[in-house]
Amino acid sequence: DSGVTQTPKHLITATGQRVTLRCSPRSGDLSVYWYQQSLDQGLQFLIHYYNGEERAKGNILERFSAQQFPDLHSELNLSSLELGDSALYFCASSVAAGGSDSYEQYFGPGTRLTVT
Amino acid sequence: GENVEQHPSTLSVQEGDSAVIKCTYSDSASNYFPWYKQELGKRPQLIIDIRSNVGEKKDQRIAVTLNKTAKHFSLHITETQPEDSAVYFCAASRYKAAGNKLTFGGGTRVLVKP
Repeated sequence: DSGVTQTPKHLITATGQRVTLRCSPRSGDLSVYWYQQSLDQGLQFLIHYYNGEERAKGNILERFSAQQFPDLHSELNLSSLELGDSALYFCASSVAAGGSDSYEQYFGPGTRLTVT
Repeated sequence: GENVEQHPSTLSVQEGDSAVIKCTYSDSASNYFPWYKQELGKRPQLIIDIRSNVGEKKDQRIAVTLNKTAKHFSLHITETQPEDSAVYFCAASRYKAAGNKLTFGGGTRVLVKP
């Protein structure tokens, strides 16, 4: 168990809908990263938050957004869902934004999103 | 941006033999290289990592080597066991710049035959 929690484990929804995925980082970790894992795209970085602030964006669609709250949990919002959004969504946490002693990222169990 | 290529995509070995997975990266500024193991339907699990100021690192049966000049790093698993069967991902990042976003290779499916 990495100490990172994600809810829900599974989510089935229809095209055009909106969903929210939740992540709680390990105790003491200030950084949350979101990754998408699909069969054809592999593991791809979406977005990084550090202590409530957005730090970096990757291949994140405009239909997707995220935020990190004062208690450090993070939510990934996916809207106008398409079939191609079906994937495993992982969050990972790390102590800091980047630094010589805080670079390991620990992944949560993921949320499997199925869009029908 | 960074691009990480990983080979082979599948690897089948006999129990007790060694397994080697190779990755190349494109961004010479990358300085942190973790390896993750992912079992079916589970989270990627960090198994070993290496920083750019180190050429080799070992942890029991696993080791990672890094060649910065060639922009190449490898995972070595010795005395493989059936529980080593999983998908392995390499990744690269610049861990001191704008956070530590990981760029992953495409993964290697390892099958250890008893």
